[in-house]
Formats: sequence, structure tokens, C-alpha cells
Amino acid sequence: EADIYQTPRYLVIGTGKKITLECSQTMGHDKMYWYQQDPGMELHLIHYSYGVNSTEKGDLSSESTVSRIRTEHFPLTLESARPSHTSQYLCASTQQGAGGSDTQYFGPGTRLTVL
Amino acid sequence: AQKVTQAQTEISVVEKEDVTLDCVYETRDTTYYLFWYKQPPSGELVFLIRRNSFDEQNEISGRYSWNFQKSTSSFNFTITASQVVDSAVYFCALSGRGSNFGNEKLTFGTGTRLTIIP
Repeated sequence: EADIYQTPRYLVIGTGKKITLECSQTMGHDKMYWYQQDPGMELHLIHYSYGVNSTEKGDLSSESTVSRIRTEHFPLTLESARPSHTSQYLCASTQQGAGGSDTQYFGPGTRLTVL
Repeated sequence: AQKVTQAQTEISVVEKEDVTLDCVYETRDTTYYLFWYKQPPSGELVFLIRRNSFDEQNEISGRYSWNFQKSTSSFNFTITASQVVDSAVYFCALSGRGSNFGNEKLTFGTGTRLTIIP
């Protein structure tokens, strides 16, 4: 099982502020992901990364941006937070599984509230 | 395109009852992988099981069991003798073979909220 850390766990912030959600993993996984999840709803992939200096947008359009300068670190940034960004953000990383597919392991999530 | 359907939005059962969560999937891949995750009220997603499309053996882990049937494209999850700690949202997910990144992305169902009544 992967060790994935997300900080902060909870964040309440005012509109217009710049925020960065941190995600780190200690397993040396190449692939990392960010999902957005509204309360009681399904998960939507918003960003993913193959490895260092590789980032791609996911299925759900997001105003956030990500960076991957180090293998273990995959932060997500919102330049100007809005109430519509209120959601839970989950980070995941992939351990290569036998047979070619990967199992994604998730961090504890960050619950963001923008007032 | 891949799709996962969890038709049961919410289920409530009395403690110690058995409960089955349904999952039906659609994919054009011949090789694919199915997953179940548990999301307790604290919010994290806990990995429960991964199943390969070429292995239809059912699996049992303690009170948990999974029934994979390719003929009906279903991957159902049963909790035997349910406990209050089983209360959570359960997600079924699907991914294709990891030959390229596009096939590795997980497609999640909408989840089933399970409440175990003491």
C-alpha cells in the first residue's frame, strides 16, 4: 500500500485568494493524479502526471494548475479561488501491478471551502 | 467509452444483515480491471480489491466477497454480517489495460451510500 499525504486536510478561504494543495508520496511512484469530488458525488479526474515535468489535463475541465518538479511531489494550485471551487480534492498515485495495470492509492483528501 | 453503473444510490440495513452492492460495467477492451473502493465519512478512498478480466474466480476476504460475472458485465460486492463500521460510500471503478496512459485512467461509478443501522 502507498503512503500518500495531502495537506491541508481542511481549508476555508475567501474568494480571490491563491491556494496550493499539497500532495506527496514516498513510494517513488511515477504516476500521480488529482480528482475532484463534490459531496456524495462521483470522482472526476482533473489532472495527471506520468512523471517529472509531465502533466496533463483530465476529463473534467478545471481552472487549477499542477506541477511535477520532483517525483514525490504533485501540488495543485488555484490562482484565484471562487465559491465554485468548493469541493474535495483527492490525490492518488499508482503502483505498477502485475499484468500491466496499476492500482491507484489515494491520499486522505483536502476539503476546500471558498467563501 | 467505458462506463460504470451503480444503480443503488443508498442502501440501509440493520446490523448483522448481509448486503450486496451492485456494479455493472461497459467496456470495449478485451483486457480490463475492476476495482472497489470504500470512502468512509472521513473522506479518504480506501482500496478494497482489484480484479482482472481474465480471472472470473470469486474472491472472499473475511466478511467481504466479490462476484465477477463477465456474461452479465457485473462485479458485485457482498458484505456478510454487516457492522456499523461498514457504513460508507462504496465506489466501483474500471480501467483498461495499461498499454498507454489513456487506458489506465479509472472510470468511477457514482457510488452507493451504505448505512448500517445498529
